[in-house]
Amino acid sequence: DQQVKQNSPSLSVQEGRISILNCDYTNSMFDYFLWYKKYPAEGPTFLISISSIKDKNEDGRFTVFLNKSAKHLSLHIVPSQPGDSAVYFCAASDTGSQGNLIFGKGTKLSVKP
Amino acid sequence: NAGVTQTPKFRVLKTGQSMTLLCAQDMNHEYMYWYRQDPGMGLRLIHYSVGEGTTAKGEVPDGYNVSRLKKQNFLLGLESAAPSQTSVYFCASSYPGQIYEQYFGPGTRLTVT
Repeated sequence: DQQVKQNSPSLSVQEGRISILNCDYTNSMFDYFLWYKKYPAEGPTFLISISSIKDKNEDGRFTVFLNKSAKHLSLHIVPSQPGDSAVYFCAASDTGSQGNLIFGKGTKLSVKP
Repeated sequence: NAGVTQTPKFRVLKTGQSMTLLCAQDMNHEYMYWYRQDPGMGLRLIHYSVGEGTTAKGEVPDGYNVSRLKKQNFLLGLESAAPSQTSVYFCASSYPGQIYEQYFGPGTRLTVT
């Protein structure tokens, strides 16, 4: 039973446009959410995070939105760049889990020039 | 700083053989983790450690053992490899104050025939 779901395996976007990646979760105990980015043959790298006490967190071109009532979060990339092409993993955790992250299956983003 | 390094990068084992994967970090991180990633899946936590001399089970610990004799190293052992353990293994580490923002190694691709 997946606790973190990324229902879109892939997404293709034109350079300069907005990329929106979605993530749903089922465990109401989750109170911290993260996005990781992964290039082929490399380990994931941390991108941005949000605590459940917030509904938005912004870092440059990346913004994460959290809707707790819907158990849904999204990552917005504006404007999208070809270098953003990668697999994006949504992850979630709860306080006291000692960093145990539950990952989604990932969404492969392709940004076309 | 090398960050998080993993040895070896690739390995092919026959069923029943044993091996040890080595993870090393030079960031003085307290927490370390071992994940596996199967095709089309997210990362799943195998074991983790919150400090030198400590280990704990994650989501999928069966068939693996770990040791953290030194703060900078985290070893993952397979005593009797099975084809179901064919996967890409990632090690990660983090600060106690930022346990969710984990730094990942480049991965070890293991094939068990």
